[in-house]
Amino acid sequence: RKEVEQDPGPFNVPEGATVAFNCTYSNSASQSFFWYRQDCRKEPKLLMSVYSSGNEDGRFTAQLNRASQYISLLIRDSKLSDSATYLCVVNYPSGGSYIPTFGRGTSLIVHP
Amino acid sequence: EADIYQTPRYLVIGTGKKITLECSQTMGHDKMYWYQQDPGMELHLIHYSYGVNSTEKGDLSSESTVSRIRTEHFPLTLESARPSHTSQYLCASSPEVWDNTYEQYFGPGTRLTVT
Repeated sequence: RKEVEQDPGPFNVPEGATVAFNCTYSNSASQSFFWYRQDCRKEPKLLMSVYSSGNEDGRFTAQLNRASQYISLLIRDSKLSDSATYLCVVNYPSGGSYIPTFGRGTSLIVHP
Repeated sequence: EADIYQTPRYLVIGTGKKITLECSQTMGHDKMYWYQQDPGMELHLIHYSYGVNSTEKGDLSSESTVSRIRTEHFPLTLESARPSHTSQYLCASSPEVWDNTYEQYFGPGTRLTVT
């Protein structure tokens, strides 16, 4: 079983739609959680951290459910520029520190 | 913008050659990482470092080696390149934060092709 699992998609949505992605993780000792965005043939860039109380940044909302071990990302009013792969990242305990573990990513395509 | 750099950006090399991929960051971060990513696939951690003179293997078996003699520099070396090494190599760094809520900053990547 993979440590961080995501539905690879693609999610194909029209402009203006609301879309949600989930990500599950297997290690309950995980400390911190993030969503990164990766454009085609580019490096990943941080989209937002995910806090226990949930957090919002403009059209983006992230939630954490520790009991069920999943995090979610909600994108409202999708724009063409939101088309990208969204990577879920979980920091796992390892050797006294925490190591980031990436999911495979969820591909989003926003069309006119 | 993250201050983390990788060279070369693109490299085409023949089988059996020795290559070193360079990664440097000017943010003073203690932790650095190397990932391998094939097109459309997930990132696989191949090496990481907690700081100077610290190197660890990641979860993907790799024939590469790394060194960390200076905080800002984390080169990755392939002693004998093979076609199976063809991939994108991404370097990242992160600060040491007491509660481990740190994010990573990525370099632009090196796209390696071994013929």
